[in-house]
Amino acid sequence: AQTVTQSQPEMSVQEAETVTLSCTYDTSESDYYLFWYKQPPSRQMILVIRQEAYKQQNATENRFSVNFQKAAKSFSLKISDSQLGDAAMYFCAYAFTYGVAGNMLTFGGGTRLMVKP
Amino acid sequence: DSGVTQTPKHLITATGQRVTLRCSPRSGDLSVYWYQQSLDQGLQFLIQYYNGEERAKGNILERFSAQQFPDLHSELNLSSLELGDSALYFCASSYTAGANVLTFGAGSRLTVL
Repeated sequence: AQTVTQSQPEMSVQEAETVTLSCTYDTSESDYYLFWYKQPPSRQMILVIRQEAYKQQNATENRFSVNFQKAAKSFSLKISDSQLGDAAMYFCAYAFTYGVAGNMLTFGGGTRLMVKP
Repeated sequence: DSGVTQTPKHLITATGQRVTLRCSPRSGDLSVYWYQQSLDQGLQFLIQYYNGEERAKGNILERFSAQQFPDLHSELNLSSLELGDSALYFCASSYTAGANVLTFGAGSRLTVL
């Protein structure tokens, strides 16, 4: 079974600084997707960024970027120029794709990010 | 607004009772997923439906059941409720059966007293 581990229960960063959240996963598959979701106090799950395992290039979305190390099964999220609105719970997630047969997201335990003004 | 609608937003009930949570997927999406988020278990996948058919099953208790109707909305039925069933229940939808693009609803907060 696939597992996702986030080893940092809490992180804090100064506003305008950069922070990196860690995630490791375990799988025997070669083709899969990795995600970072943000859950603010409103509890809404918001997709931050997505990485396809067959793509070597790291995904980037504005201030958010990932460092995807497939051999090491590592998928970290870097937030640059941190803003107060970035304060939230961040979840790393894995999805194994097997076409129309259906699949599911496996989530890590989450990292609570605090942003200090 | 994500386009995925969940009702009710909040629900308080007693042990032993039965409740139904409803989800309308985003327009055009055929696949619906249910997740449970509790303090001690984190985010757990419960079940997935694709175009009316069950496609994947996770850690869903026998006391829980779900279905997807012809209009693609889905209902999650929770019966013989226990204190430990108190959680945030999320519905998510996607266009295909693959979970590569999942949009979440705002969740239904269930409190069992």
